[in-house]
Amino acid sequence: DTAVSQTPKYLVTQMGNDKSIKCEQNLGHDTMYWYKQDSKKFLKIMFSYNNKELIINETVPNRFSPKSPDKAHLNLHINSLELGDSAVYFCASSLNLLGRFAGELFFGEGSRLTVL
Amino acid sequence: AQKITQTQPGMFVQEKEAVTLDCTYDTSDQSYGLFWYKQPSSGEMIFLIYQGSYDEQNATEGRYSLNFQKARKSANLVISASQLGDSAMYFCAMRLSGGYQKVTFGIGTKLQVIP
Repeated sequence: DTAVSQTPKYLVTQMGNDKSIKCEQNLGHDTMYWYKQDSKKFLKIMFSYNNKELIINETVPNRFSPKSPDKAHLNLHINSLELGDSAVYFCASSLNLLGRFAGELFFGEGSRLTVL
Repeated sequence: AQKITQTQPGMFVQEKEAVTLDCTYDTSDQSYGLFWYKQPSSGEMIFLIYQGSYDEQNATEGRYSLNFQKARKSANLVISASQLGDSAMYFCAMRLSGGYQKVTFGIGTKLQVIP
């Protein structure tokens, strides 16, 4: 039973299209994240939600819109895709105990987005 | 602000030898955690080891150990008895204890194990 699952695993699309990536975790964690890994393998945080509330919003174009319908799900919608959006997008989750250390991130398998 | 630096873009090690992957960090916080992740060519991110800033002993997990030198702000990963399956990207990361506990990653080190 996969702890953090993302769909789709691969996504190939044309510039200007809109696409979504879905993420679900069955670990009972409170906090979920989206990370972007570029072609040089650099991992950069994009967003984080804690119990459906947006808590981290890094400098990301507003074409990217995360949505968390409940604490087990975090989706990423991207409008008007550009060539530079091509990357691997990782969903992750962790505990988030107020006042206590949250522990490691549990990652999904990644979703490779290719914009043509 | 928190920052992680990995200065070795690529490393080679002979099979069965030990290898050290360097990581230094920068934070003014006293309470934080340090992690190492492995990313093989298949792409998944695998958690290896964790060290808390207040932990007095260096963390160990099987063949992995973390050489934590707090005064020097370094958290090097030591892999003993390297295996071919250890060939991968290795990322050092840090999480501060306060606030929203964002996890910041270094740029990674590509390790290749030679038979």
